[in-house]
Amino acid sequence: DAKTTQPPSMDCAEGRAANLPCNHSTISGNEYVYWYRQIHSQGPQYIIHGLKNNETNEMASLIITEDRKSSTLILPHATLRDTAVYYCIVSTGTASKLTFGTGTRLQVTL
Amino acid sequence: KAGVTQTPRYLIKTRGQQVTLSCSPISGHRSVSWYQQTPGQGLQFLFEYFSETQRNKGNFPGRFSGRQFSNSRSEMNVSTLELGDSALYLCASSLGGTGVYEQYFGPGTRLTVT
Repeated sequence: DAKTTQPPSMDCAEGRAANLPCNHSTISGNEYVYWYRQIHSQGPQYIIHGLKNNETNEMASLIITEDRKSSTLILPHATLRDTAVYYCIVSTGTASKLTFGTGTRLQVTL
Repeated sequence: KAGVTQTPRYLIKTRGQQVTLSCSPISGHRSVSWYQQTPGQGLQFLFEYFSETQRNKGNFPGRFSGRQFSNSRSEMNVSTLELGDSALYLCASSLGGTGVYEQYFGPGTRLTVT
């Protein structure tokens, strides 16, 4: 699986959009980009995934660059409950074996 | 629909003992994966079971083993416990198969080895 690079931490004001970047320059054509998050001491929570098109669901939007070497997860209106570690993972479709990096610790503040 | 459940939630064991952790996947899910999370190593993949067969395996010693039953429930066993096995053990279930499926994680079992 391709390696990903994320900033270790980010801050965001409540109500603002949180934009979390991820670099995956060695991604292969059959690999998807997945985003999960982990709120302190809980199990990770699936957020969204995509192959090459931008994706949106009720939680977030995923923007993947045309060359697929990087992506951005967007939480449109961050709340305090979005404070968590966010993991960007690149994996093939079946994705039963996820390789978690160190992620980005997002702190949402008042 | 009920989520992934793991039992027990907390466990304290002594070095040299063995332990069995249990995971019940979401109804209809056939794949169960296990992960270990420690402060030093982060989240690491242990193994995955699909239709009662181990389909993927991470880089852990043979002391770590697992199995899956016909109802998709899974257990993992750690024998001859070491202090370094203290961790949060997470299981995740998914539909499995050959499509693109997200994983749903349970709350984890926190194992402390003394």
